[in-house]
Amino acid sequence: GQQVMQIPQYQHVQEGEDFTTYCNSSTTLSNIQWYKQRPGGHPVFLIQLVKSGEVKKQKRLTFQFGEAKKNSSLHITATQTTDVGTYFCAGHAGNNRKLIWGLGTSLAVNP
Amino acid sequence: ETGVTQSPTHLIKTRGQQVTLRCSSQSGHNTVSWYQQALGQGPQFIFQYYREEENGRGNFPPRFSGLQFPNYSSELNVNALELDDSALYLCASSLPPHASLHFGNGTRLTVT
Repeated sequence: GQQVMQIPQYQHVQEGEDFTTYCNSSTTLSNIQWYKQRPGGHPVFLIQLVKSGEVKKQKRLTFQFGEAKKNSSLHITATQTTDVGTYFCAGHAGNNRKLIWGLGTSLAVNP
Repeated sequence: ETGVTQSPTHLIKTRGQQVTLRCSSQSGHNTVSWYQQALGQGPQFIFQYYREEENGRGNFPPRFSGLQFPNYSSELNVNALELDDSALYLCASSLPPHASLHFGNGTRLTVT
């Protein structure tokens, strides 16, 4: 079946270091969405990418959608303790209404 | 703008019982999706409702059922509760169905 793999599962960084999480789909996606879930909280929408090769930035966060629309990445520059949480990617395959989620990358930041 | 609200926030039930969880969608959103999130896992899609009709379903048994009302609020019903149903149940609204999801705070269900 359709799967979205996300790596790494966990990442522990020192404050100020960079962080990247990668998302790979077994099928072509029509879009990719990224969410952040703080410990004890609910997922919060960060961004959606729909175009092949698209790159979007939100302050220290850079999001990319691969040329083949099968992979995506989220890069955080100079992490801060407020970046702590689990980052999920999720995408729709074609017109399928089901949003396929990755398992998430949990980020811990040492002050 | 009112966000997504879910009730109750916590619930403890016994195996075999039935439970109903409720969700009010964000103002103007006509699509509601329900997810189950076990501890340390990603959200698992249960089903989606669009304009009062089921619009897609994940790999959950029929004892998981739902409703959407004319005001776009929604209910998730789970019959014959099992221990493995213990999880955080998240409701998310969107407009339209493929758009970004706005999640509620969830209902933490514990089955003993």
